[in-house]
Parts: sequence; structure tokens; C-alpha cells
Amino acid sequence: GENVEQHPSTLSVQEGDSAVIKCTYSDSASNYFPWYKQELGKGPQLIIDIRSNVGEKKDQRIAVTLNKTAKHFSLHITETQPEDSAVYFCAASIGGPLNDRSGGYQKVTFGTGTKLQVIP
Amino acid sequence: KAGVTQTPRYLIKTRGQQVTLSCSPISGHRSVSWYQQTPGQGLQFLFEYFSETQRNKGNFPGRFSGRQFSNSRSEMNVSTLELGDSALYLCASRGSGRGWTDTQYFGPGTRLTVL
Repeated sequence: GENVEQHPSTLSVQEGDSAVIKCTYSDSASNYFPWYKQELGKGPQLIIDIRSNVGEKKDQRIAVTLNKTAKHFSLHITETQPEDSAVYFCAASIGGPLNDRSGGYQKVTFGTGTKLQVIP
Repeated sequence: KAGVTQTPRYLIKTRGQQVTLSCSPISGHRSVSWYQQTPGQGLQFLFEYFSETQRNKGNFPGRFSGRQFSNSRSEMNVSTLELGDSALYLCASRGSGRGWTDTQYFGPGTRLTVL
């Protein structure tokens, strides 16, 4: 099955600096790569995602890059703020169409998480 | 739109008991997935339901089961609870019934403690 490795497990940065979290996956059939942020006592919140036909995606201070050949993808947060402190999870997903005819399926494998601390 | 809701938020049970957790997906979403989150094992997939049918299943024993109703609401049941079942159980919904819809949205979770 799919295996997703995530590094580092903890990351401390000064406010205003950049943070980078890296993930590798094993199954070349994976075609969707979301990133989630989880704050204490809450469920994971989607912050950005990328599909396998795209190499890079950016949303304000957050960007994700994907290298299909090397099977790795990364999350970049620029100008970090204290409210960015949380646990971040990457995931690799293999999915099929979700409709009544085919039924659909999705197999999602999560990384082990990175605890990001932004120091004011 | 309201997000994914889960009830109850907290549960305390004893070994051998059974428990039922409930999840209401985002309006219009027809797929519901369940995950178990523990410090040691991380986020692990339990199962996914779509149109009242289980479409996919993770590697968990048969004590873990689920179902989905015609309104897309889902319940998860764990029978004969063990100490190791203590975890945050997360529900995620996706899809609007049109083709490819990969994006999952998570609820706040139900924190289950087994004593």
C-alpha cells in the first residue's frame, strides 16, 4: 500500500521566517495531495491541495510544490506568524470518480505530522 | 454552509462496552469517511461510505463498523471496547455527486476515552 513519510516532525522558526515541510510518497498512482493544519482540540483543516497534473500552487503565504518523478511534495509557508503554530499533515490520495454509476472510492494516506512552532 | 458536525464531542466508556458516534456531512456531500487519530499511529483510515454503501475499508478489526443513512448522515460503532481504542475519531465528508471530488473536509472529532 501507499506509504507517506513526512519531515521534520517538529519545526521551530522565528516569526517572519519561512517554514518548509517535506513529504515523500511511494505509490506512483497517487493523484491528489492535500495539506491539513490541525490546531489543538480541532479537526484537520484543509489549507491547500495540489493535483498530479500541476507542479506548483500558491495561495497567499502558502505554496505547495510537487515533483512526480521523485515522488515528493513540499509545503512552504512564508512570513510565518504565531497563528501558524499547529500540526501540519500531508496526505497522498488515490481516487476514482464519485458518482452513482461507478460508486467511487478514495484511499488517503496521511503523513505523521509536523509540529510547527512560530516564535514571536 | 455549515461544516461537518460530530456528536458527541467527548465520550468516556469502560472496556467491553460499545459506542456509537455520529457524523453529519456538509450539506450536499454524499461521501463520509471515518478516521482514527492517536499519538502513536497518527491518522488512520477506517472506512468510507457513499450512497449508503461502504466503498472502501481500512485495516481495522470487525469490531469497527459503520453505516450511512439516506440523508448521508453516518454512524460509526465500536463494539467490545479495548483500552487501545482510546482516540480522536474524525469524520470527513466530500463530494457533490458530480464527477471527481477529492477534497475532504473534517469535523471536529469525537474524543473517546476507554477506561
